[in-house]
Amino acid sequence: KAGVTQTPRYLIKTRGQQVTLSCSPISGHRSVSWYQQTPGQGLQFLFEYFSETQRNKGNFPGRFSGRQFSNSRSEMNVSTLELGDSALYLCASSERGDNEKLFFGSGTQLSVL
Amino acid sequence: GESVGLHLPTLSVQEGDNSIINCAYSNSASDYFIWYKQESGKGPQFIIDIRSNMDKRQGQRVTVLLNKTVKHLSLQIAATQPGDSAVYFCAERSTGFQKLVFGTGTRLLVSP
Repeated sequence: KAGVTQTPRYLIKTRGQQVTLSCSPISGHRSVSWYQQTPGQGLQFLFEYFSETQRNKGNFPGRFSGRQFSNSRSEMNVSTLELGDSALYLCASSERGDNEKLFFGSGTQLSVL
Repeated sequence: GESVGLHLPTLSVQEGDNSIINCAYSNSASDYFIWYKQESGKGPQFIIDIRSNMDKRQGQRVTVLLNKTVKHLSLQIAATQPGDSAVYFCAERSTGFQKLVFGTGTRLLVSP
């Protein structure tokens, strides 16, 4: 099976812009979670989707949003980008949606200038 | 609140040695723990997991130990190889299965 695929691999944006990141989970996995990774804060949970429904959301401002499609692919969007949004955004999928054995993609490295 | 910490930010070992990476957690209600390895430029890679009803689990060259009394988790890597050099994260599953809470990570450096 192919692993979790995230696109694009790298992004450079300027403050105030918005960005959309894409994630394709492992085939058969219905749960997709998003994490933000920074050197200072480590891995922080953003949100989790299961069967197109957001089940849980982390402590991030409303500028961060996401969605999941019927084929389990997911997107996350960040609007009105700030310098502090520069980070590696990781997507992970799991088969049962119980947060066991999350499998991560390689991430999207976002740089906000 | 929930927190997962690590005792050592960097661990340096010689090739062939056994490595032990430690992790402390604070949520006594956590029922599932997992270790990840992250190499530069890659996402975290699943290594091994353990449920709270177990105190030890073995994989290929890796063993995870769970001590619920002191809320401590460790990852043991046997015969450490240069390819094991990476950052290792522990994580716990919060109550209600809502998310994984990750530790800050330990960098393992393996010298030939």
